[in-house]
Amino acid sequence: GENVEQHPSTLSVQEGDSAVIKCTYSDSASNYFPWYKQELGKRPQLIIDIRSNVGEKKDQRIAVTLNKTAKHFSLHITETQPEDSAVYFCAASRMNTGFQKLVFGTGTRLLVSP
Amino acid sequence: DVKVTQSSRYLVKRTGEKVFLECVQDMDHENMFWYRQDPGLGLRLIYFSYDVKMKEKGDIPEGYSVSREKKERFSLILESASTNQTSMYLCASSFSKIFYHYTGELFFGEGSRLTVL
Repeated sequence: GENVEQHPSTLSVQEGDSAVIKCTYSDSASNYFPWYKQELGKRPQLIIDIRSNVGEKKDQRIAVTLNKTAKHFSLHITETQPEDSAVYFCAASRMNTGFQKLVFGTGTRLLVSP
Repeated sequence: DVKVTQSSRYLVKRTGEKVFLECVQDMDHENMFWYRQDPGLGLRLIYFSYDVKMKEKGDIPEGYSVSREKKERFSLILESASTNQTSMYLCASSFSKIFYHYTGELFFGEGSRLTVL
């Protein structure tokens, strides 16, 4: 089955810096890679996702890149702000099967200091 | 706005008790999931359901069972709670892939923090 590894487990940056979180996956058939953000005491929420037919996707200050050959994908946050502080989870799954089963990484706790 | 509601935010139970965690969604989603969240282990899938009365084991089903008698409701059952089941439990739902509005997005509840003494 799929296995997703996520690094680092914690990341501290100064406000305005960039933050990068990296994930690797094991199943070469995986083709859908979402990122979820979980603020303290809140539910995880989807912030961005990418499918395997594209290499990069951007949404304002966040971007995700995918390297299918190396089986890794990354979340990039530019101009970080204190409200970016949260736990971020990457995940992977196959979208071409009848049912999608997401496998999550272990999470990265991002702390943005003012 | 999608709403996934979990019946209890905090529960304290004793070893051996039977525990019910309830989840209700109001978006007519076909798929429902139960995840367990532990520090350093991420979100691990316990069980999921893609239709009423249908259920499938996830990655860590041991010690758990589920029930889905109605489309909007998915229950997680701990038949005999043990201390190693102390955790945060998250319910989620999503549209089925067969519908045009399928995006792959999971909608999560606020979570139920269970402590087993």
